[in-house]
Order: sequence, then structure tokens, then C-alpha cells
Amino acid sequence: NAGVTQTPKFQVLKTGQSMTLQCAQDMNHEYMSWYRQDPGMGLRLIHYSVGAGITDQGEVPNGYNVSRSTTEDFPLRLLSAAPSQTSVYFCASSEQDGTGDQPQHFGDGTRLSIL
Amino acid sequence: GQNIDQPTEMTATEGAIVQINCTYQTSGFNGLFWYQQHAGEAPTFLSYNVLDGLEEKGRFSSFLSRSKGYSYLLLKELQMKDSASYLCAVRDSNYQLIWGAGTKLIIKP
Repeated sequence: NAGVTQTPKFQVLKTGQSMTLQCAQDMNHEYMSWYRQDPGMGLRLIHYSVGAGITDQGEVPNGYNVSRSTTEDFPLRLLSAAPSQTSVYFCASSEQDGTGDQPQHFGDGTRLSIL
Repeated sequence: GQNIDQPTEMTATEGAIVQINCTYQTSGFNGLFWYQQHAGEAPTFLSYNVLDGLEEKGRFSSFLSRSKGYSYLLLKELQMKDSASYLCAVRDSNYQLIWGAGTKLIIKP
């Protein structure tokens, strides 16, 4: 019962570096999403996917790329890290297309610091 | 713009009852979720409301009034482990979740 697995749990980057945050789920969920959580703010949607091969932008997509080649995996790429991207990143998945009452299942998060 | 308002912090006593309010202004409404998030952990699902009224789940209940743009989460028989942040999220007309900043609930013995 792994659920949603995120790696790494912690990461420190220098400005301008790139990296990929990994997310995998074993529940056969179609809908997957990436959020960032900053102090005093609600979770903000970065990108989401309603199935393999389909991705779309959320509220704050700039500086991030995603791909969905399989149902299980949904990696998030930071193209050129900036201090404003210092945050806690959560990956989440849910059944179907995210329009019903199915709750989102969250990974444990990646705590990212950009120096 | 879209907005979800929750109190930033609340304090309650072990064994008591607490009500956490959430008001929202969104472009459309397709359901409201409550999540619990312990410090340093992931949010976990508590409840879902799409019709007006009260949904009860053990010690936790959630109420919705769509005409008032208002929901509350009611926690009864508070336990120390209920110390956490409680997040309100509304699904808008595009089926995107809009999240409140969360209410940090502190339980005192």
C-alpha cells in the first residue's frame, strides 16, 4: 500500500540549476497533479494530468514542465531554479478525472530550497 | 478573483467542541472538501459536501450552505492528536480545486 511516492524528500539547489521531482502512484489513478505550498497561502496547482499522454497547466505553471508517459509516473521538472521556487511540493492523485467526489491522495512532499 | 477565507489560527481545549469556518467566492461551485494536515506531513481527506446540509463522520461533521458561500467543519470530543491545520478547498466551474490557506488548530490539555 505505497499510495503516492515522492522523491526526494529534501533538496537544496543553486539558482539556475535544473532538477526533476519524481512522483509515482500505484493505485491506477487517472488524475495526477502537482501543487506547491507556501506559508500563509493555500495549495496552488502547478500542472495536472487526466491520463497518460495528457497534461495541462494549473494556476502557477511558469518555470515548470511535466510529462505523463505512463499512468503511474508524473515527474515535475524545474528548468532553471529561482529562489521564488523555494517551497514544499506535493504530488496528488485521484480516481477518474478529478471532477467528482473522489478525494485526492497526497504524497509526503518534497521540501525544496533554492539558494 | 477567487477567494477562500478561513481563520488563521484557533485554540480549543481537549474534550471540547470546535467549529472551523470557511467562506468562499468562486466562479461556480462543484463541491467542497476538507482536509487535515499535520505539521510536516501531507494533507489527508476528511469530508466532501456538494449539497446543502450536514455530513457526519464520527467525531467530525461538515456543513455546507451554497447560497451563503459558507461551510464549517465541526470537531467534537477534541483529542490532542487533532492539533493540525485544516484546509478548505472548493472545486470551481472548471473543476479546479481552489484552496484556503488553512486554519491551524491548537489543542490545549
